[in-house]
This record gives sequence, C-alpha cells and structure tokens, in this order.
Amino acid sequence: SQQGEEDPQALSIQEGENATMNCSYKTSINNLQWYRQNSGRGLVHLILIRSNEREKHSGRLRVTLDTSKKSSSLLITASRAADTASYFCATDGNQFYFGTGTSLTVIP
Amino acid sequence: EPEVTQTPSHQVTQMGQEVILRCVPISNHLYFYWYRQILGQKVEFLVSFYNNEISEKSEIFDDQFSVERPDGSNFTLKIRSTKLEDSAMYFCASSNPGTSGTYNEQFFGPGTRLTVL
Repeated sequence: SQQGEEDPQALSIQEGENATMNCSYKTSINNLQWYRQNSGRGLVHLILIRSNEREKHSGRLRVTLDTSKKSSSLLITASRAADTASYFCATDGNQFYFGTGTSLTVIP
Repeated sequence: EPEVTQTPSHQVTQMGQEVILRCVPISNHLYFYWYRQILGQKVEFLVSFYNNEISEKSEIFDDQFSVERPDGSNFTLKIRSTKLEDSAMYFCASSNPGTSGTYNEQFFGPGTRLTVL
C-alpha cells in the first residue's frame, strides 16, 4: 500500500510549545501533502512538498521530506489552541492515499 | 475565496434505498474526487474523475457506486442500494492537475454525513 502512516497517533501539548508529527510511506511519490481536519469537518490543505524538495515553510508550519527514508515531518511552531485538530499526510500515486492521522490537542 | 460545496449536509436513508450525494466543485477545477470517512477511521479514496470519465477508483468503489457530472457545475455520487456499512462521511474534492500528471492540492467540501438505518 502507498498509504501514509502518521505517528504519534495522539499528541497533547501546552499552548506555545512546538508540535512535531511524522509520516511514513511505502512507495515512491511525486508529492506529499499535509491536511488538517477539525472534528466533524472537511479537510483543509496545509502544505504540499514535492519529491525533489527537502524542506518547505508556510507561516508556523515547517515540513521536511526524506525520500530515502520515505518519511516526512510536520512541525507546528508556537502552537495555539486553535491548532487542535487531526493532521493527515497524503501521498499521491495512482490514487491519493491518506494516513490514519495524528490527533493534536493544544491545551490553553 | 472559492470553495467546494456539498449537499445535503446530513442524509438519513433506509437500507436498500438509493442515495445521491451532490457536490459543486470549484468552478475552474478539472479533477473531481469522492472520499469517505467511516466514523473514527481514516479518509479513504473512492474515485477520481477527469474529462467526463473515471480516471482512478479504489476497491471500495464497486458496482453499487457511480459518479456523474450531469452539468457544468455539479458532481454527484450515487449509491444504488445502500448498506449499513455505507454509513460514513462522504467528502467531495476538486483540484487542477499538477505537473507531469501528478496530483495537485485538493480542496475539500465540508462533507455529507450519510446514515443508513
């Protein structure tokens, strides 16, 4: 399967701390994307990183990609209570695969 | 800002009935998708649609499912004879193609919660 798999499954931090989530996948990809899902809502695209990129920033988000290890990480700096959500990585191949997600809770 | 919309937000149906879930993708997008998410589980790809035909589909997308773009704005998912296990959140998404046939950023609708009784 080409599915991304995130870890940890759940993460609880204090507001202001950094949150790091990891994603591993199994086959070669063209790009990897991170999405956020608030409870009961749709997915919101956060950032896309292409296979020839190693790091990308967007505001408080920093994504890295290591194609040799088939892994990616999402770092959220200076977390806020509003960052509480589930975070998914998604890899493209013939189909678009989502992982099981990391549930992040930011405690005010 | 343009967004994907879905109707209805919640659909309740009896087992064996047909349901049609509706989506209006972002107007200048060319790729359309359906996903489902069973409560507490991951988002699962069902089907992608491009140029008026299915481009990819998953094992979940069997003969009970069909998709259609009946006009220039709507994209529908039909489930012919619903089963209890079809109860899930169904998300529509749209995108433009990335470079060299890759998938680009997908914009998701808010979802339709389908409950099969």
